[in-house]
Order: sequence, then structure tokens, then C-alpha cells
Amino acid sequence: QLQLQESGPGLVKPSETLSLTCTVSGGSISTSGYYWGWIRQPPGKGLEWIGNINYSGSTNYNPSLKSRVTISVDTSKNQFSLKLSSVTAADTAVYFCVRRGVGAPVGHWGQGTLVTVSS
Amino acid sequence: DIQMTQSPSSLSASVGDRVTITCRASQGISNYLAWFQQKPGEAPKSLIYAASSLQSGVPSKFSGSGSGTDFTLTISSLQPEDFATYYCHQYGAYPLTFGGGTKVEIK
Repeated sequence: QLQLQESGPGLVKPSETLSLTCTVSGGSISTSGYYWGWIRQPPGKGLEWIGNINYSGSTNYNPSLKSRVTISVDTSKNQFSLKLSSVTAADTAVYFCVRRGVGAPVGHWGQGTLVTVSS
Repeated sequence: DIQMTQSPSSLSASVGDRVTITCRASQGISNYLAWFQQKPGEAPKSLIYAASSLQSGVPSKFSGSGSGTDFTLTISSLQPEDFATYYCHQYGAYPLTFGGGTKVEIK
């Protein structure tokens, strides 16, 4: 059974870079036909799609975050990662790593990890 | 971007009630529409995909309909475990977007 697990610092200082990793188990990140991505949810608010990547490294990003976001994949470790630069308090959120199939909605979610931006 | 507008943003209902939530897309998305249920502290759970297809393991009290720009999620008989927040999600075009959510509370 596919499982996704987020990891990374829970506290990041303003203007610094938020870095998270998602470890995939129960399936290979190298399988074609899937996108691996990130969605975030500020406390008490709705869901925002950040972006996704496929096994070959092809990416799509939300234009609202594109200038600050990098998603990468490490097939040797069966992991993918998120970097969000120049963070502010508005980037405080629960960050979920997710998988979706081509032409399909988000189908698998990690449990989510809260990242707080504060000095 | 395709904006997804959900209504109502919240509702109060009783156990056994029939509940309908609507979602409108700012442009046509065919049937590339999914519905999720989220409980506090949990990741969203998939209920419906392709506007009306029930996800495996989801009870048949949940149903979805619509195509193009207007969609609905119906819960035929609300049970205590159904009190949660529901989100629609379009996956027909990048960037993927979500509705603002509908919180279903106990009356």
C-alpha cells in the first residue's frame, strides 16, 4: 500500500528557505504515469496546490508561487522534495505531499506536516 | 486560473438529513472534478472523482453529479461521522485548484 511521509523542520525564520522531503514507500517513484506534488493548508483555511513533478523531472508550479518554488525528485532514495524561498508568515501552513495519476485528481496524501514561519 | 466557488461555506444539519453542496467552476472543466472530505487534523479523503464516480470503499450515501461548470455533492442521509469539511477540486487544467470548502456542522 502506497504511503507518503513528509519530513523537515517545523520552524523556519522569515526570509529563509523552507525545505521538506517526502519519502515514498509501498511503490516506486520511478513508475511512469504519476505526478508527485505538494499542497498546503494554512491553519483554519483551505487547500492550495503548490506544484508537482514526474519521475523524469518535468515540473508544473502554481504561478502564484512559481518564482519561489523548486520541486525535485531523487529516484535513488524514492523521495521528492520541496524548497520554498524567501518565506514569510503567510507561508505558515500544513504541507502535504501527494500523488496523482495523469488525468486524475490527487489520490494519495501524506499525513501533513506543520511548518511555522517565525523568528 | 480556474476559480472554484463552493456554496454554502457552512451549513448546519441533523442526523438523517439530505445535504447538497454545490461547486461552480469559472470555466468549463468537463468532468475533471473531485470531492474530498476532511476532518480536523487529518489529510483530505477522496470521495468522488470524474464528477460522479465513487471512490473505492466510499459508502453509496455519497453521490456526485454535474459537468462543465456546475457540480453537486449529495449526502443522502447524514450520519455523525459525516460532520466534516468538504472540498471540490478541479484537475482539468493547471494550476490545480480547490473550492473554499463547506463545513458541515451538527444542528
